[in-house]
Parts: sequence; structure tokens; C-alpha cells
Amino acid sequence: DAKTTQPPSMDCAEGRAANLPCNHSTISGNEYVYWYRQIHSQGPQYIIHGLKNNETNEMASLIITEDRKSSTLILPHATLRDTAVYYCIVRVGNTGGFKTIFGAGTRLFVKA
Amino acid sequence: DVKVTQSSRYLVKRTGEKVFLECVQDMDHENMFWYRQDPGLGLRLIYFSYDVKMKEKGDIPEGYSVSREKKERFSLILESASTNQTSMYLCASSLRLRGRRGQFFGPGTRLTVL
Repeated sequence: DAKTTQPPSMDCAEGRAANLPCNHSTISGNEYVYWYRQIHSQGPQYIIHGLKNNETNEMASLIITEDRKSSTLILPHATLRDTAVYYCIVRVGNTGGFKTIFGAGTRLFVKA
Repeated sequence: DVKVTQSSRYLVKRTGEKVFLECVQDMDHENMFWYRQDPGLGLRLIYFSYDVKMKEKGDIPEGYSVSREKKERFSLILESASTNQTSMYLCASSLRLRGRRGQFFGPGTRLTVL
């Protein structure tokens, strides 16, 4: 699985959009980009995933660059409850969860 | 919604004790996983199972074993607990090994070995 690089921490004002970047320059053609988040004292929570096209669901949007070497997770209207560690991972979609490599992630602080 | 539960949120054991961590999921998922999470190291896969009585080693299986006698339950066993096994243990499940949906995680068990 490709390695990802994320900033260690970010701040965001409540109600504003939070844009979390991720670099995955060694991603292979069949690897998906996944985002999870982990709120303090809880297990990681799946947010969204994508291959090539931008994706949107009820939680967030995922923007993947055309060369697929980087992506951005967008929380459109951040709330205090979005304060968490956000993990970007890439893995082959048909190999399920094993060998999933979670890095250090980005600690997002949403401030009032 | 999928629910993954773990038997304990906090556990304190002594060196040399045999420790059982239990995980139960209620959505008939074929696949279940055990990770440990340590500061600076992220989540590391210990073992996973893709069917009843089937198991595969992850990246750090040493010192651990697992049991999957029923589809909904996946147990992690520390045969002889050591202080370096003090960690947060996370269980996860997913619908199928080749599915593209993410994994669903339990709340975690924070194990301290004295």
C-alpha cells in the first residue's frame, strides 16, 4: 500500500470549511484513497473513499487531483464535534481491510 | 448501523497473565480485525479473520493468538501478557474482504500490563 503524508495538525473556525490535505505520490492505479477519523477515546470512523472522481456524502467531500498524487478532504461546515484525528490511507479496493496502514494523521482542532 | 462492541473499555493485568479481549459485531460481517494503536505508530494490524475458524497473521502477530468460533465474535488472546503489550486495542469488521466499503471499528480496549 502507498504511503501517505499529512500535516500533523490544523485549526479551523467553527462554521467554516475544513480542508485537510493528503499526499500520496506513490499511489498505484488500482489503489483507492480512504479517509477515517478518530475522535478521542473512540475507534476510527469511516468517512469517505474514492478512486479517481471527486466524491461527496453526508459527512464530507473528497477532491482527488487529476494525477491522483494528492487529495483533500473537505468538511463544509466544521463543528466542534469534528475535532478529531483524520487519517488518509490508500489501499487496493479489493483487499478489504488487512494491511491497511494508518499513519499519524492530522489532528484537526475546530475552535469556537 | 453496524455495531461493533468490545468487552471492556479499560483493563489492567499483570505480567504473565493470560488475557482475553472479546469483540462482537451484529451485522453478519465476514471479516474481522484486531489492531493495536500506539502513539507515533498509528494502527497496526495484529490478526484478521475472513471466516469462522479462519485466521491470518497481520503485521505484528507475535505474542498474540486469536479465535473465531462464531461469525459474530472474534477474540484476541495474549498468552502471557508483557508490559510492551500495554496499548489501545481496536477491533473492526467489514462486510467482505473484497468490498470497498470501509471498516467499522469498536470503541477500543485500553489495556495496561503492570
